Amino acid sequence: EIVLTQSPATLSLSPGERATLSCRASQSVSSSLGWYQQKPGQAPRLLIYAASNRATGIPARFSGSGSGTDFTLTISSLEPEDFAVYYCQQRSLWPRTFGRGTKVEIK
Amino acid sequence: EVQLLESGGGLAQPGGSLRLSCAASGFTFSTYAMSWVRQAPGKGLEWVSFISGSGGNTYYVDSVKGRFTISRDNSKNTLYLQMNSLRAEDTAVYFCARDSSVSYPDYWGQGTLVTVSS
Repeated sequence: EIVLTQSPATLSLSPGERATLSCRASQSVSSSLGWYQQKPGQAPRLLIYAASNRATGIPARFSGSGSGTDFTLTISSLEPEDFAVYYCQQRSLWPRTFGRGTKVEIK
Repeated sequence: EVQLLESGGGLAQPGGSLRLSCAASGFTFSTYAMSWVRQAPGKGLEWVSFISGSGGNTYYVDSVKGRFTISRDNSKNTLYLQMNSLRAEDTAVYFCARDSSVSYPDYWGQGTLVTVSS
């Protein structure tokens, strides 16, 4: 199966700062990668699909980039509601797999 | 409004069985693929199983193959996960999720907790 490695595990930032989250795949997934946000006690929310496309209703401060094995989720200016855990997920090969997540916490 | 409501979770003994249900509303259920994703307490997300809109194609993560069965009843707008031979490591919140038109889960239920313990 494809292993997704997310880094860093935790990112400590202040509101207004830029967040850069990384996801690396153990083999190429082309552009078949999504990003999800999850807050405590809630279901995940789709942010980005196909590596760089924002899902419906997602603010423009969220952007995704990359292809092949290296991907990035960028939050241009953190809002208070953005502090959460972020997961990448590939749909290139079965089984679909998720990364272990990056927690974005308030510094 | 799209809604997904899971039920059927609870406490099961090791080796036991449970059947989860996910009632869908607000969209044409039969035209969307569906998935089950789980999250062990304090852990990350793990995709468990997928079923196409017609039910003709299914996929499973290796750890549940032969023990779990995904199915759907499009006449009842309901997704199921039959879980047999349960193990302690199956303890998790189980989410059902709708695959969007671009094949990423775009709507999720709130989850149902399955606890496997003697």
